[in-house]
Amino acid sequence: GIQVEQSPPDLILQEGANSTLRCNFSDSVNNLQWFHQNPWGQLINLFYIPSGTKQNGRLSATTVATERYSLLYISSSQTTDSGVYFCAVVGGANNLFFGTGTRLTVIP
Amino acid sequence: NAGVTQTPKFRILKIGQSMTLQCTQDMNHNYMYWYRQDPGMGLKLIYYSVGAGITDKGEVPNGYNVSRSTTEDFPLRLELAAPSQTSVYFCASSYDRGFEQYFGPGTRLTVT
Repeated sequence: GIQVEQSPPDLILQEGANSTLRCNFSDSVNNLQWFHQNPWGQLINLFYIPSGTKQNGRLSATTVATERYSLLYISSSQTTDSGVYFCAVVGGANNLFFGTGTRLTVIP
Repeated sequence: NAGVTQTPKFRILKIGQSMTLQCTQDMNHNYMYWYRQDPGMGLKLIYYSVGAGITDKGEVPNGYNVSRSTTEDFPLRLELAAPSQTSVYFCASSYDRGFEQYFGPGTRLTVT
């Protein structure tokens, strides 16, 4: 399957700070999704972004498929942004291959 | 739309017991998936289905069975539960291959 690497593994931010999370993948992909797993374990869809740039409020994402990476930007972070952020990709198979996530902690 | 729903939310099984995890989606999606998430890890695919009557194995199918008799439902069966099956189980669906996947709230299973 496709290898998905996320960095950094852990990130601690002061409320109001900005951050960039990175996702590298080992092969061409048909689908790339970013998820936020909140402290209650729920997976929340953030972006479906196989290529290009999308924005949703304080969050935006960019995927450069030819260079096999995606970036998730969080601006003006809030304590409710805390949790684990997963990048997941679909290549030749049918399923999503997940990275091991970036654990974000936002402190007031 | 309720999206993807799963029952139960929590379950404790003894070694050797069996159970069925239920998953239902109301988005008329063709594809459905079962993933498991072990502590500190991303999700791994157990089984998936591309439509009613058609299922296939994922990365970690051993110890599980599935069926898909309707578009809406995709139950996951655990036979002879083992401690290694302690995990959080997520069901997901998508309209077609490569389309956005939507996840249910998960079932937390403990086998002791």
